[in-house]
Amino acid sequence: ETGVTQSPTHLIKTRGQQVTLRCSSQSGHNTVSWYQQALGQGPQFIFQYYREEENGRGNFPPRFSGLQFPNYSSELNVNALELDDSALYLCASSLARTQETQYFGPGTRLLVL
Amino acid sequence: AQSVTQLDSQVPVFEEAPVELRCNYSSSVSVYLFWYVQYPNQGLQLLLKYLSGSTLVKGINGFEAEFNKSQTSFHLRKPSVHISDTAEYFCAVSSIQGAQKLVFGQGTRLTINP
Repeated sequence: ETGVTQSPTHLIKTRGQQVTLRCSSQSGHNTVSWYQQALGQGPQFIFQYYREEENGRGNFPPRFSGLQFPNYSSELNVNALELDDSALYLCASSLARTQETQYFGPGTRLLVL
Repeated sequence: AQSVTQLDSQVPVFEEAPVELRCNYSSSVSVYLFWYVQYPNQGLQLLLKYLSGSTLVKGINGFEAEFNKSQTSFHLRKPSVHISDTAEYFCAVSSIQGAQKLVFGQGTRLTINP
């Protein structure tokens, strides 16, 4: 059984650019959540996808968007990057939308210059 | 809405000493409670969780936590720590209904000194 994987591991972008981060959920999991973890902070919920539909969103602007594919993998897209978007982006999967336990990937560290 | 407060940002202890990491939460609805650990440059690993039942929960690596509903606390304990326990620890809650959105505390950095 493979765990949650994310790519790339590190990324450097400049302000105003767009970025796409990818996540493969744990085998059998149909729900994916994304979190942003700024340096020295706890993770903050961005949004959740269940069966290819957004199923809840945190306090993030519309330039943060996502997709979930039929195989339950997911993408996080961020447009018009700002310096404050520099963070570790974590993906977590769970067995079902109502399943309480989320399993996290290693994260993608994004630096915006 | 929920919020989580981890009362100590840093906790230094000596190896083989006991440790307690404190977590208080606020919520208008019933919640599940979690402790996650984050080793340097890694993602989050689930240590333990409280869903219902016994208020004393045992997790991996010898950690345990006690849910206290009246004090809205979920403190993490270990009777004897090792150098390998050096990491960042996060307390989190999620509502028992709706989308399983985890709300995290700011984290507690546990440093073990030899």
